[in-house]
Amino acid sequence: GENVEQHPSTLSVQEGDSAVIKCTYSDSASNYFPWYKQELGKRPQLIIDIRSNVGEKKDQRIAVTLNKTAKHFSLHITETQPEDSAVYFCAAGATGTASKLTFGTGTRLQVML
Amino acid sequence: NAGVMQNPRHLVRRRGQEARLRCSPMKGHSHVYWYRQLPEEGLKFMVYLQKENIIDESGMPKERFSAEFPKEGPSILRIQQVVRGDSAAYFCASTKSTSRANVLTFGAGSRLTVL
Repeated sequence: GENVEQHPSTLSVQEGDSAVIKCTYSDSASNYFPWYKQELGKRPQLIIDIRSNVGEKKDQRIAVTLNKTAKHFSLHITETQPEDSAVYFCAAGATGTASKLTFGTGTRLQVML
Repeated sequence: NAGVMQNPRHLVRRRGQEARLRCSPMKGHSHVYWYRQLPEEGLKFMVYLQKENIIDESGMPKERFSAEFPKEGPSILRIQQVVRGDSAAYFCASTKSTSRANVLTFGAGSRLTVL
């Protein structure tokens, strides 16, 4: 089955700096890579996703990159703000029915004032 | 659209009792996934269901855990004879049965505490 590794487990940055979280996956059949943000005590919420037919996707201060050859993908947050503080999860899966997402172990991001 | 609805939000059980967690998917979604999140840990896949069918239960413990998604009504995750190690947040997610499958929308979770 799929195995997703995520690093770092914790990340502290100063407000305004950039944050980068990296994930690797094992199953070459995976072609869908979402990122979820989970605030304390709340549900995971999708913030951005990327499919294997593109190498990069951007949405305002958030961007994701994908390297299918190396089986790794990354989340980039620029100009971090205190409200970006949360736990971020990457995931990997194959599109289509009868498939599931496998999640990384999470990165706790703290944006310091 | 009310989103994915889970209840109860909090459930306290004593060791040996049964826990039943319910999940109503978003309107128009026919696929339901259950994930478990232990304190300070990630989301672990448990089971994937469609109406009246279990598609993938590879993440379900072999004993005491069961899940169903009947033709009518919510999906139910049932834990029999709970133990302290079952204390966790149980999240349900749903997707459409289209090429946008895997775009998971999560419910608010059910937090089970076993005393």
